[in-house]
Amino acid sequence: NAGVTQTPKFRILKIGQSMTLQCTQDMNHNYMYWYRQDPGMGLKLIYYSVGAGITDKGEVPNGYNVSRSTTEDFPLRLELAAPSQTSVYFCASSYFLISSSGMDGNEQFFGPGTRLTVL
Amino acid sequence: AQTVTQSQPEMSVQEAETVTLSCTYDTSESDYYLFWYKQPPSRQMILVIRQEAYKQQNATENRFSVNFQKAAKSFSLKISDSQLGDAAMYFCAYRSQGAQKLVFGQGTRLTINP
Repeated sequence: NAGVTQTPKFRILKIGQSMTLQCTQDMNHNYMYWYRQDPGMGLKLIYYSVGAGITDKGEVPNGYNVSRSTTEDFPLRLELAAPSQTSVYFCASSYFLISSSGMDGNEQFFGPGTRLTVL
Repeated sequence: AQTVTQSQPEMSVQEAETVTLSCTYDTSESDYYLFWYKQPPSRQMILVIRQEAYKQQNATENRFSVNFQKAAKSFSLKISDSQLGDAAMYFCAYRSQGAQKLVFGQGTRLTINP
């Protein structure tokens, strides 16, 4: 298993350009996530998906769009890049299942990240 | 909203010694999960250890153990017999029961001195 893969690893964009960050997982996980990590900070959730065709906003969704047409892929789209979107972007996935006791124990597996710079 | 605070931006320890990283959190919930993630220079986020709030017993994973104080909302990570490969950023994270979002602290940079 490759786990969670992300492309590209690095990218420099000019203000106003658009791009798509790719994320693929081969673990048949139902949940997928996009986080951003600003310098010296922890990760913040941008968007997440509970399954193909279903997405929802996280903590910092402005300026981004997502789609989930398959279980494996969860691309993140930046339409009009701004300097404030300079960050490292992490994709993650998990298998979310609530047991009969009401407990859920999903662990999120992370990709290697994409470093994006907007100039 | 839940918050996670790591009050130590940087820590250092001699190789083979023991170090404890602090984490406190704020929540009104009773069921939740706590995690410590390691982020080496490669940027890969690696799960080190997890703790279910309903479990009184502290989690351990080889040289890594936690001190979970639910009433005090404290969740510290102890690394025993520190190794050079332990050098990394360490993030404490919180997740509500049944929720999707991980809430991260600001991180602690751990340096191992040979």
